[in-house]
Amino acid sequence: QKEVEQNSGPLSVPEGAIASLNCTYSDRGSQSFFWYRQYSGKSPELIMFIYSNGDKEDGRFTAQLNKASQYVSLLIRDSQPSDSATYLCAVNMGGGTNAGKSTFGDGTTLTVKP
Amino acid sequence: DGGITQSPKYLFRKEGQNVTLSCEQNLNHDAMYWYRQDPGQGLRLIYYSQIVNDFQKGDIAEGYSVSREKKESFPLTVTSAQKNPTAFYLCASTPDRRASGNTIYFGEGSWLTVV
Repeated sequence: QKEVEQNSGPLSVPEGAIASLNCTYSDRGSQSFFWYRQYSGKSPELIMFIYSNGDKEDGRFTAQLNKASQYVSLLIRDSQPSDSATYLCAVNMGGGTNAGKSTFGDGTTLTVKP
Repeated sequence: DGGITQSPKYLFRKEGQNVTLSCEQNLNHDAMYWYRQDPGQGLRLIYYSQIVNDFQKGDIAEGYSVSREKKESFPLTVTSAQKNPTAFYLCASTPDRRASGNTIYFGEGSWLTVV
């Protein structure tokens, strides 16, 4: 079992719809959770981070974290064609010698159709 | 502007050759990382360094070497022992080596192809 798993995709939604991206992780000691967007051939860029259980909203993006279920999700409301990219979930395993080390999922490719 | 500069952007390696990818950051970040990304896959950690003159192996360190002689610089050498080096290489940094909630800042990446 991979440490961080994402729904394999690809995911296709019509413009204006809600896109839902999911991620599960295996290490219960995980402390920080990140969503990155990566356009083809480019480096990842941070979309959202979340540390506490519950929802965190930033514009059209909402991150949801449930540590009991070891689950983190990203909702994109009013999806736009420019949101078409691969979304990477990353989990940080904590402080000490692991501080800053993050484990990434394989990504989910989202296509938003006009 | 502050950021992470990787060079070269594209590099071709012949069989049996060592190549070095450069990574420089002017963000004054403590920790630096090298990740490898294969097509359709996520990022895998090669090496990381939390402080000058110290570095640790990541998940796929075999066939790679690094150095951290200066805070700003973290070059990665892909040695001839790395049998399948064709990939997209990403250098990254985080501000505080002690914190778990660090945002990762990425360079623009280097494409390495074996010819």
